[in-house]
Amino acid sequence: DSGVTQTPKHLITATGQRVTLRCSPRSGDLSVYWYQQSLDQGLQFLIQYYNGEERAKGNILERFSAQQFPDLHSELNLSSLELGDSALYFCASSVRGDNYGYTFGSGTRLTVV
Amino acid sequence: DQQVKQNSPSLSVQEGRISILNCDYTNSMFDYFLWYKKYPAEGPTFLISISSIKDKNEDGRFTVFLNKSAKHLSLHIVPSQPGDSAVYFCAASLGNYGQNFVFGPGTRLSVLP
Repeated sequence: DSGVTQTPKHLITATGQRVTLRCSPRSGDLSVYWYQQSLDQGLQFLIQYYNGEERAKGNILERFSAQQFPDLHSELNLSSLELGDSALYFCASSVRGDNYGYTFGSGTRLTVV
Repeated sequence: DQQVKQNSPSLSVQEGRISILNCDYTNSMFDYFLWYKKYPAEGPTFLISISSIKDKNEDGRFTVFLNKSAKHLSLHIVPSQPGDSAVYFCAASLGNYGQNFVFGPGTRLSVLP
């Protein structure tokens, strides 16, 4: 157990729908990162939050949004889902100044049918 | 435009031999590099890192080499063990203080008994 908790582990939904993925960071970690891994692709950075504020944005679609709450958990909202949104979505957390990169959760596998 | 490349999607090595995984990057401003290992159904886990002020970092059976002039790094695993079979991701960032990392597409290593 890495200490980063992602729920749900699996999600199957229809095109056009909206889903919310949840991430609880490791205790003490202030930064949360969201990554997308499509089939046979590397991890694509979506967005980073630090202590409740958006810190950096990557290749995140306008249909996607995220937020980090006062208790530091984060949610990634995906709307108007398309078949191509099917992927593994990873959350990672870190303490600012951590020399060892991120700690990843085990991911949420989203299947859009 | 892929800033971090891992040109070998897969690699097979005999148990006990050396595994060499390669990674190339295009952004000369990257100054911190990591390797992550990922097993199926799990999130990536940190393996080893190197700062651009070094050209080698060793941790047990794992050694990372950095050639800044060639914008190339490699991960050596000696001796390779069947439990090393996983997907290995190379990642790069600007600094090591909470910056988001850019990941390569990964190389699937199979260590044959």
